[in-house]
Amino acid sequence: DQQVKQNSPSLSVQEGRISILNCDYTNSMFDYFLWYKKYPAEGPTFLISISSIKDKNEDGRFTVFLNKSAKHLSLHIVPSQPGDSAVYFCAASTLNTGNQFYFGTGTSLTVIP
Amino acid sequence: DGGITQSPKYLFRKEGQNVTLSCEQNLNHDAMYWYRQDPGQGLRLIYYSQIVNDFQKGDIAEGYSVSREKKESFPLTVTSAQKNPTAFYLCASSIGQVTTDTQYFGPGTRLTVL
Repeated sequence: DQQVKQNSPSLSVQEGRISILNCDYTNSMFDYFLWYKKYPAEGPTFLISISSIKDKNEDGRFTVFLNKSAKHLSLHIVPSQPGDSAVYFCAASTLNTGNQFYFGTGTSLTVIP
Repeated sequence: DGGITQSPKYLFRKEGQNVTLSCEQNLNHDAMYWYRQDPGQGLRLIYYSQIVNDFQKGDIAEGYSVSREKKESFPLTVTSAQKNPTAFYLCASSIGQVTTDTQYFGPGTRLTVL
């Protein structure tokens, strides 16, 4: 049973516009969330994280929003750049059970120049 | 250059054969992990190890075995008992096993069982 879901397998955005990638989770015990970015033929690389005590975390062009009541998080990329084209995975865990994460299925983002 | 290496990138095996996937890290990380990715599914945890000579099963450990004899190495054996071994396998490591410790991933090995 998929506890973390990314319902959009792909997304295309014009360069310079905002990219919004969405992620939903079912386990209300999750209190720590991450986004990873993956280029072809490479392993995923960490992008940004958020814990449940916050509803927003920002790092440069990347912002993650967390809506605990809706069990939903989103990643905003502004402005989008062609180099952002990659597969994005969200992942969730609980802080008191160690570094075991549940990953979503990924969203493939294409930024069109 | 510090990082995680997985070899080979592509691996083909006949059904019924055991196969071992290599994972090496020179980041001096204590914790290491093996994940499997199938089309349309997220990464799923197979095994993880917090320290040398210790490892625990993840969500889908059946048909797999691991060893952790050295800090830098965490090989995964896909046995003939694994019903659907064809998949993309990713190895990761982190400084420790605290949730907020970032996991660093290798490039992956694509295993195809014929």
